[in-house]
Order: sequence, then C-alpha cells, then structure tokens
Amino acid sequence: EPEVTQTPSHQVTQMGQEVILRCVPISNHLYFYWYRQILGQKVEFLVSFYNNEISEKSEIFDDQFSVERPDGSNFTLKIRSTKLEDSAMYFCASSDSNPYGYTFGSGTRLTVV
Amino acid sequence: AQSVTQLGSHVSVSEGALVLLRCNYSSSVPPYLFWYVQYPNQGLQLLLKYTTGATLVKGINGFEAEFKKSETSFHLTKPSAHMSDAAEYFCAVTQKAGTALIFGKGTTLSVSS
Repeated sequence: EPEVTQTPSHQVTQMGQEVILRCVPISNHLYFYWYRQILGQKVEFLVSFYNNEISEKSEIFDDQFSVERPDGSNFTLKIRSTKLEDSAMYFCASSDSNPYGYTFGSGTRLTVV
Repeated sequence: AQSVTQLGSHVSVSEGALVLLRCNYSSSVPPYLFWYVQYPNQGLQLLLKYTTGATLVKGINGFEAEFKKSETSFHLTKPSAHMSDAAEYFCAVTQKAGTALIFGKGTTLSVSS
C-alpha cells in the first residue's frame, strides 16, 4: 500500500535555528498538508498545498513557517527560527481528489532545546 | 466553521466489555467523518471513515461507527475490548478534498484485564 514518508523521524535543534522537515507524499496525490501535535494534545492543522501554492492555512502557520515542493516528489516544512513551543510531532499528509483519501506519514518529532 | 467534540477525554473498560467512544461534529454541509487511532509514540492510523451511503461503517480491528445526521454524531463502538485496543482515538471531520481535516481533542482508551 502506498505510504507517505517523513524524514527524519526525530530532530533536535537549538532555539533560534532553522529546521526543514521533509515528506514524500503519495505519488498521484494532489493535495499536501502539514499538521502538528504538541505532546498530549490534539492534532492541529497547519497548512494545505495544492497546485504549487498554499490553499489554506491556520492561525498557527505564521511568518515563521513556510512550505515548498522543491521537486516532483518532496514536500517540505521550514521553520525559520525555532521556539521552544515549536516542539511537537509534525505530520505530513497527502490526499487525492476524494475528500476521504487522506494518508498520514508517521511523523517527525521535533524537539527544540 | 467545522468542529469536533469528543465527550470523555478518558474511557476505561474491562477486557471483553463494550467500547463506546463519543464524537459529535458541527458542519454546515454534509461532512466526511473519520476515526483515527494513535498508539504511543506512533503516527495516525485510519480506523474507518464515513463518506456517503451506508451510515454504519465498519473499520479495522472490529471497530464500527454509525453516522447519525439528526444527532450530528459519529460514535465509535467495538463489541468486545481487547488489551491491544488501549490507545488514543481521534475523531475528525472535513468537508471537501483539499481542506483541513479538523480533529477532536482525543479520547484515551484504557483496557484492564
């Protein structure tokens, strides 16, 4: 079964550093997403991406965040200057044209120290 | 705006007992509804989803859920709990392809022997 692949599985970074989280969505999917889950809390939507542009974003997704699809397979989330409160599990997801076709990756645990 | 309410942040059952996890949603248009399970330190696994058609949906691991439009509910049930069912369960809703999947706060299911 096709999978969404995320790397790395765990990243530790110092406060103020830039981080890039990487995802390889399912190849024939059209929509790409990032979600985050702070430890012990619910999964929160960050951003959706379609046709090479952001289609929707939440209040969490401020100027510190950016997304990019640098080539035909990768989808990245960049946090420009990390804060302690950015520590969370970040999930990438992709979907096809069906609203129920979501597939999530296994996540990247980001720890900001 | 869409929202999901999961009643009960923690549910405890005995092995072999009925599992009932409650989910109510708010949506201005017909929703697409999902239940995900998350085991400790793991990603999100899709249990089942409601799109259109039959309102009783069967998923993996013996779980099922019934969409009740009049009650705006999508409760998750399993006739007989197993120790391996202990996990965090999230209900989620979306309206159309490419839009955010909105999650509830989650319910932790504990199963005792």
